[in-house]
Amino acid sequence: DAKTTQPNSMESNEEEPVHLPCNHSTISGTDYIHWYRQLPSQGPEYVIHGLTSNVNNRMASLAIAEDRKSSTLILHRATLRDAAVYYCILRDGISNFGNEKLTFGTGTRLTIIP
Amino acid sequence: DAGVTQSPTHLIKTRGQQVTLRCSPISGHKSVSWYQQVLGQGPQFIFQYYEKEERGRGNFPDRFSARQFPNYSSELNVNALLLGDSALYLCASSIRPYNEQFFGPGTRLTVL
Repeated sequence: DAKTTQPNSMESNEEEPVHLPCNHSTISGTDYIHWYRQLPSQGPEYVIHGLTSNVNNRMASLAIAEDRKSSTLILHRATLRDAAVYYCILRDGISNFGNEKLTFGTGTRLTIIP
Repeated sequence: DAGVTQSPTHLIKTRGQQVTLRCSPISGHKSVSWYQQVLGQGPQFIFQYYEKEERGRGNFPDRFSARQFPNYSSELNVNALLLGDSALYLCASSIRPYNEQFFGPGTRLTVL
């Protein structure tokens, strides 16, 4: 499985934008970049995913570098509820037996300062 | 709509015992996956089932087994419990194996 590298922890002030980086230098051409987050005492939840182009949804934006070796999850206006562990995951776009699992790393623990 | 549900929420067992954890997927979801999350780590994949067939298996010993029922609910069984099996066990469901996964709140297993 292609590997991702994220900072262990980050802090941000409430109501300010947050940029969470992820490096994936060994990404293959068919790998999608997925982000999940895990709020305290809950299971992970899907945030966003993309392949090459930047993506936006109601929760966040995903900015993907032109060479696809890195990406950034952007929370436009952090709230206290956004305090969570954020996981950057590569997932092969070709659905096959054995590659449909999610491979989590240790993620980035985001702390929001009121 | 109800999300993924898991039972029990907490469980305490002693070494050598056996445990069964249960998961009900979101209505209409035919794929269920199981993950183990040890404190301070990300979830680790154990099994994935789709249409009652095993679709994938992680690097876990044979003491771990699972099955999926005709109503798409699933059970995870762990035999001969070890202290190291203490963890949060997460169940996730999706429409098909590759779609976005929706996680339940997990079952916290403590082995004494």
